[in-house]
Amino acid sequence: AQSVTQLDSQVPVFEEAPVELRCNYSSSVSVYLFWYVQYPNQGLQLLLKYLSGSTLVKGINGFEAEFNKSQTSFHLRKPSVHISDTAEYFCAVLDPSNFGNEKLTFGTGTRLTIIP
Amino acid sequence: NAGVTQTPKFQVLKTGQSMTLQCAQDMNHNSMYWYRQDPGMGLRLIYYSASEGTTDKGEVPNGYNVSRLNKREFSLRLESAAPSQTSVYFCASNIPGQGNYGYTFGSGTRLTVV
Repeated sequence: AQSVTQLDSQVPVFEEAPVELRCNYSSSVSVYLFWYVQYPNQGLQLLLKYLSGSTLVKGINGFEAEFNKSQTSFHLRKPSVHISDTAEYFCAVLDPSNFGNEKLTFGTGTRLTIIP
Repeated sequence: NAGVTQTPKFQVLKTGQSMTLQCAQDMNHNSMYWYRQDPGMGLRLIYYSASEGTTDKGEVPNGYNVSRLNKREFSLRLESAAPSQTSVYFCASNIPGQGNYGYTFGSGTRLTVV
């Protein structure tokens, strides 16, 4: 079974500063990795995903993430944050080998707060 | 495009009452899921339906039942609500095995059990 660890429950960052949200996963098989964002009182929206290929993945709103297999990490980064980035961010993992029964397993989330 | 539609958006129940949360998708997705979101715990899978006619338990199924009514609709039922079921419930859908793997989520149902 897979699991996801998001080490930071809350991250405050000044506007226009860079940010990194950490995500580590545990799995005995190759997995697919995702970052979702949840704005206040809304559902989840896909930011980016890693399925295969280049380990640097670019997503929406200027976010990117790097897959590191040796460190089993998939950290999310943005070089300069904006007030509108205030949200909760979830890392998630999926085992694609379980065909027809693929289920997303989520981390506990990181609340990103942008300080003006 | 409606995507995934959940009803109701808000609900307050008394302990012991029953209710059904509705979910419908119009994207012809095969698989549908029910998650609950609690502070500090992320999203946890309650039940899922890999295809029409099948349902399986997820991580936290106790106290819930589901029905995959047809390909579009997947409902979640609380037979006797308890305060521990106070949560935000999300329905999601996707097409498995097609390389996209991007779940589409509904906007959630905020349930309070008093």
